[in-house]
Amino acid sequence: GDSVTQMEGPVTLSEEAFLTINCTYTATGYPSLFWYVQYPGEGLQLLLKATKADDKGSNKGFEATYRKETTSFHLEKGSVQVSDSAVYFCALSDLGFGNEKLTFGTGTRLTIIP
Amino acid sequence: DTGVSQDPRHKITKRGQNVTFRCDPISEHNRLYWYRQTLGQGPEFLTYFQNEAQLEKSRLLSDRFSAERPKGSFSTLEIQRTEQGDSAMYLCASSLLAASQETQYFGPGTRLLVL
Repeated sequence: GDSVTQMEGPVTLSEEAFLTINCTYTATGYPSLFWYVQYPGEGLQLLLKATKADDKGSNKGFEATYRKETTSFHLEKGSVQVSDSAVYFCALSDLGFGNEKLTFGTGTRLTIIP
Repeated sequence: DTGVSQDPRHKITKRGQNVTFRCDPISEHNRLYWYRQTLGQGPEFLTYFQNEAQLEKSRLLSDRFSAERPKGSFSTLEIQRTEQGDSAMYLCASSLLAASQETQYFGPGTRLLVL
């Protein structure tokens, strides 16, 4: 079945550092890929998405590129801020199953220190 | 756009009791999903509706769980004879089925604690 493996946390970085959170996936069809973010005390929010190979999703300075050859969708940001502290989830949905239920990774907790 | 709402936000119950959660999706959305998230894990799919029809249920959804979406609007998730292992965050998401890739919008969740 489908699965998502993401970098284990927690991750602690200093403000303005470069961020990478690794995500790889296994899917039987042609999945769409997502990064969701969960800020403290809030619900899951879509951060960015990519629907086909070589697509790049971007939002709020975050980027991720859909790499079919390496089955990866790594999240990057050039200069993190304290406000980026949150839990980040990589997810996929596989249209081949007829609905677009999301399969999530376990999440990576990111803490940015001033 | 008021977003997806869930009620209650927190529920504490004793083992063996029944609980019911409600989800109100974004008004024009025709798909509604339920997920469960345990501590330190990502959300896991439970079931989904397209309009009022329940189209898929996960193996995670035992016979003690039932979900409804009458009239294709709000949805309820009921857990009968709760067990301590049911303690989790229950998340609802809604989306609009369209020609292009849909995006699921999540509610704040209902946190259940079974004592």
